[in-house]
Amino acid sequence: QSVLTQPPSVSGAPGQRVTISCTGGSSNIGARYDVHWYQQFPGTAPKLLIYGNTNRPSGVPDRFSGSKSGTSASLAITGLQAEDEADYYCQSYDSSLTAWVFGGGTKLTVL
Amino acid sequence: EVQLVESGGGLVQPGGSLKLSCAASGFIFSGSGIHWVRQASGIGLEWVGRIRSRANSYATAYAASLKGRFTISRDDSKNTAYLQMNGLKTEDTAVYYCTRFNYDSTGYFDFWGQGTLVTVSS
Repeated sequence: QSVLTQPPSVSGAPGQRVTISCTGGSSNIGARYDVHWYQQFPGTAPKLLIYGNTNRPSGVPDRFSGSKSGTSASLAITGLQAEDEADYYCQSYDSSLTAWVFGGGTKLTVL
Repeated sequence: EVQLVESGGGLVQPGGSLKLSCAASGFIFSGSGIHWVRQASGIGLEWVGRIRSRANSYATAYAASLKGRFTISRDDSKNTAYLQMNGLKTEDTAVYYCTRFNYDSTGYFDFWGQGTLVTVSS
């Protein structure tokens, strides 16, 4: 059971917009620790997608955006493309566990 | 170009030990924190532990679930970090990634190695 909760799967048609939620609690996201997002393709290492809740590293398309409110965060992908099909993970820090924590991951399927 | 290359994975029997290495290049290794993250097959990501830089006294921290079985160290002269794993259990079977830690924001992993597979089985 992950400390941060994500839906196991989401799907959307090409061109559509999808969102992936990440729900935490008062000792992590709610404690004002930032949320970061990673993209992972099968058989490869995760790659940083969003950092500091809303920031994109160089090279990440602006179709990807992040937001945070209260004890939750969201990743939005607009203009969905087949190449976006991957697993997505949120990450934060938990002060009760004194550990960096991840969501369980969400598999995005492009229909 | 930032690169992290893990090595040392393999098959080990339950109760055995293994030492993973993480060779870094393309950035000032001695000033960087290094974290290890693992991923069991088909499962999500799990933080293992971290080591800070010399300026931060090489401080280490570990996931509570590991209960003292794992130790992280580093050799800045070789730009390499290590993960010593003792008393291995079947549930430690996973791909192990080393990551560079970015202290901006409240901390995230900006670069990852390709991972090395550890299989614990008799």
